[in-house]
Amino acid sequence: AQSVTQLDSQVPVFEEAPVELRCNYSSSVSVYLFWYVQYPNQGLQLLLKYLSGSTLVKGINGFEAEFNKSQTSFHLRKPSVHISDTAEYFCAVSDEGSSNTGKLIFGQGTTLQVKP
Amino acid sequence: GAGVSQTPSNKVTEKGKYVELRCDPISGHTALYWYRQSLGQGPEFLIYFQGTGAADDSGLPNDRFFAVRPEGSVSTLKIQRTERGDSAVYLCASSLLGGGDTQYFGPGTRLTVL
Repeated sequence: AQSVTQLDSQVPVFEEAPVELRCNYSSSVSVYLFWYVQYPNQGLQLLLKYLSGSTLVKGINGFEAEFNKSQTSFHLRKPSVHISDTAEYFCAVSDEGSSNTGKLIFGQGTTLQVKP
Repeated sequence: GAGVSQTPSNKVTEKGKYVELRCDPISGHTALYWYRQSLGQGPEFLIYFQGTGAADDSGLPNDRFFAVRPEGSVSTLKIQRTERGDSAVYLCASSLLGGGDTQYFGPGTRLTVL
């Protein structure tokens, strides 16, 4: 069975500071990895995903994440955050195998609070 | 183009009642997913459709939950004999073919069971 752990439930940060949201996963098979964002009163939106290839993945709104297979991590980073980045962030995995349905297993989420 | 839509946006019902939640996926998307999100938690997988068939229903919590997608587009999630513990936001997502394709989520239906 797969699982996802987001190590921080809340991350407060000042505007223009860098931020890292941590995600670790557990799986007995190879996985695809995703970060979704949920802005207040809005639906989930894909930030970025890793399927294969370069382990450094760039997404929308200046976010990037690095897949580290040995540490089973997929941490999300942004060098300089804006007030508008305040939202809930979810890390998710799905099975890469031939029977992959695309079913996503989500972490519990990290609330990013950007302060002026 | 139009995204994933879900109706109703809010549903309040009494314990023991039957409810239906509807999802309209993006046109042409063959894969459709239902998830449930409880307060303060990440979404939890319920069921996956590829076309008209339920290819993976391993996330349905019990036999009170059932979903259909008879024509391979619109899907309905049905909950019988609702319980207070069913209160959550029910999310629908669709993707082009499934697998690693990006899933596009709808705004959700907030179900409250009194």
